[in-house]
Amino acid sequence: GAGVSQSPRYKVTKRGQDVALRCDPISGHVSLYWYRQALGQGPEFLTYFNYEAQQDKSGLPNDRFSAERPEGSISTLTIQRTEQRDSAMYRCASSWGDRATEAFFGQGTRLTVV
Amino acid sequence: QQPVQSPQAVILREGEDAVINCSSSKALYSVHWYRQKHGEAPVFLMILLKGGEQKGHDKISASFNEKKQQSSLYLTASQLSYSGTYFCGPGDNLFFGTGTRLTVIP
Repeated sequence: GAGVSQSPRYKVTKRGQDVALRCDPISGHVSLYWYRQALGQGPEFLTYFNYEAQQDKSGLPNDRFSAERPEGSISTLTIQRTEQRDSAMYRCASSWGDRATEAFFGQGTRLTVV
Repeated sequence: QQPVQSPQAVILREGEDAVINCSSSKALYSVHWYRQKHGEAPVFLMILLKGGEQKGHDKISASFNEKKQQSSLYLTASQLSYSGTYFCGPGDNLFFGTGTRLTVIP
């Protein structure tokens, strides 16, 4: 696609429900990153994929968070048993190379847990 | 691991210059700079790969001192379009700095 696409753009969910956030990177980009961004703060790293391999998941807050990229393209970030503190903007980015290259960000998914 | 930026915020009049500093407690082998406008996604400005390297992007340039683990972003003759929050970080895109909010007023 022309850019990094994330869906849904907005998600309101009840506490305790599971949510799945989707990221469709730029075609051909091998690296894919997930971040969480609070208002007024910088992106907080969650996890990183190189092709389909999850290279680093050290930023995932706890085991309720998981991510996959099974075919090395589209990725899904899943949050199980959501809590109010999970409310945030979740951003995905992709880059053509293995790090040290320009990352292109999607418009994000605004998650609100009520 | 989050790099620290200074100042936290700065207000400039059009045409004025500014410097944003970025300091890391961990070794930096490369550093990137991004700008994020309010309500939008971060946008890449530049990446510096070598110690002492300087780069330019329009009237925005940057330097990187690998030994000191520091980088600085220089904005000259600021324009209204420069307003936004600037983030530095290691070039692997895993971490972003504390951010500097820049506001340019007419």
